[in-house]
Amino acid sequence: SQTIHQWPVTLVQPVGSPLSLECTVEGTSNPNLYWYRQAAGRGLQLLFYSVGIGQISSEVPQNLSASRPQDRQFILSSKKLLLSDSGFYLCAWSVGLGEDTQYFGPGTRLTVL
Amino acid sequence: KQEVTQIPAALSVPEGENLVLNCSFTDSAIYNLQWFRQDPGKGLTSLLLIQSSQREQTSGRLNASLDKSSGRSTLYIAASQPGDSATYLCAATFSNSGYALNFGKGTSLLVTP
Repeated sequence: SQTIHQWPVTLVQPVGSPLSLECTVEGTSNPNLYWYRQAAGRGLQLLFYSVGIGQISSEVPQNLSASRPQDRQFILSSKKLLLSDSGFYLCAWSVGLGEDTQYFGPGTRLTVL
Repeated sequence: KQEVTQIPAALSVPEGENLVLNCSFTDSAIYNLQWFRQDPGKGLTSLLLIQSSQREQTSGRLNASLDKSSGRSTLYIAASQPGDSATYLCAATFSNSGYALNFGKGTSLLVTP
C-alpha cells in the first residue's frame, strides 16, 4: 500500500531563517506531488505541483520554492521566512492530474516568530 | 474567480442523527469534487470523489451528491457517531484552472453522545 511521510511534524523558526520541509511517498512510482498550505482562518491553498523529477509548477507567487530531486521526494524551501509563512503545510500525491483522488500526508505545523 | 463555499461553518448534532453538509461552487465547469475529513492537527483523509459525469458516490454511511447546474454538492452522513466529529472539507477541480484543488473553509462537525 502507498504511504506518504512528512517531516518535521512541527517547526518553529525565526523570521529571516531558511526552511526545508520534506515529503516522501512509498509504494507508488511516478506520482504527481503537491504542496498545500493551510493558514489560520483560510482554506487550503495549492502552492506547487510536480508531474516528474525536476518538473515544478508554481500556483502562487511567493518567497517559497519547491524541488523534486527524486521520483518520490518533494521538498519545500525558503531562503528567508516571513511571518506570513506560518501555517500547516500538507503534501499530497495522486496517480493522475486533476481526475484522481489526492492523498494527503500528516502535515507540518510551521510557526514563524 | 472560482470559489468554493461551505455552509454551515460549524454544526453540532446529537448522536444518531442524519445530517447534511453543504458545498457550493461558482464555476459549473467542474472537473471533479472531493470530500475530505480533517481531524485536529492532522492531514486530510479522502472520503469521496465525484467525477463531473457522476451525480453521487456512496461509501458506508456517507453519500455525496453533485449538481453541476446549480453549483452544489452535499455530503450526507447517516446515523452520526461521536467518531464522526471532525472538520469536513470539500474541494473542486475546475476544468480550466489546471490541477489545483480549490478548497472550501470546511464545516466543523461535533457529534455529541
